[in-house]
Amino acid sequence: EPEVTQTPSHQVTQMGQEVILRCVPISNHLYFYWYRQILGQKVEFLVSFYNNEISEKSEIFDDQFSVERPDGSNFTLKIRSTKLEDSAMYFCASRSGGISYEQYFGPGTRLTVT
Amino acid sequence: DAKTTQPTSMDCAEGRAANLPCNHSTISGNEYVYWYRQIHSQGPQYIIHGLKNNETNEMASLIITEDRKSSTLILPHATLRDTAVYYCIVSYQTGANNLFFGTGTRLTVIP
Repeated sequence: EPEVTQTPSHQVTQMGQEVILRCVPISNHLYFYWYRQILGQKVEFLVSFYNNEISEKSEIFDDQFSVERPDGSNFTLKIRSTKLEDSAMYFCASRSGGISYEQYFGPGTRLTVT
Repeated sequence: DAKTTQPTSMDCAEGRAANLPCNHSTISGNEYVYWYRQIHSQGPQYIIHGLKNNETNEMASLIITEDRKSSTLILPHATLRDTAVYYCIVSYQTGANNLFFGTGTRLTVIP
């Protein structure tokens, strides 16, 4: 069964550094998402992406964040200058579009900012 | 923000049906009810969704009240692997259909 993959599984970085989290959505899916979950808290929507542009973004997704689909298969989340409060699990998701609305989530990348 | 209310936690005996309630009294006519679950710290997993009719798939059944203000997710024969946090989410089935999670119900299946 096709699945969303994410790399790395765990990323440790120092405050102020740039990080790129990578996702490979399910092939032929058209909508892509990033969510995050701070330890012990609820899953929060960050951004949705469709047709090579951002569809919607939350208040969390400020100028420090950007997304890109560089090559038709990868979907990346970049944090330009990480802060301690960016430490969280980041989940990528995709859905096929059309009449199908279920989102398929990846296993997540645990980002630790020290 | 999440527009649903769910109990914080529930227990269910292995092999018995798990009935997880959700209150969504402010749901609008075009909003669907979605259920996802999150096992430990894994990515959320889609379970089922519906608008007003009851739905069933290989994982679960979804019962939506006639006034659509509440619903119940039923896992017919709970197993230990069903221990997870279950999220009830209401969302319009348009556009990107972003999901706004609440705190969900932590279901513990007891041997």
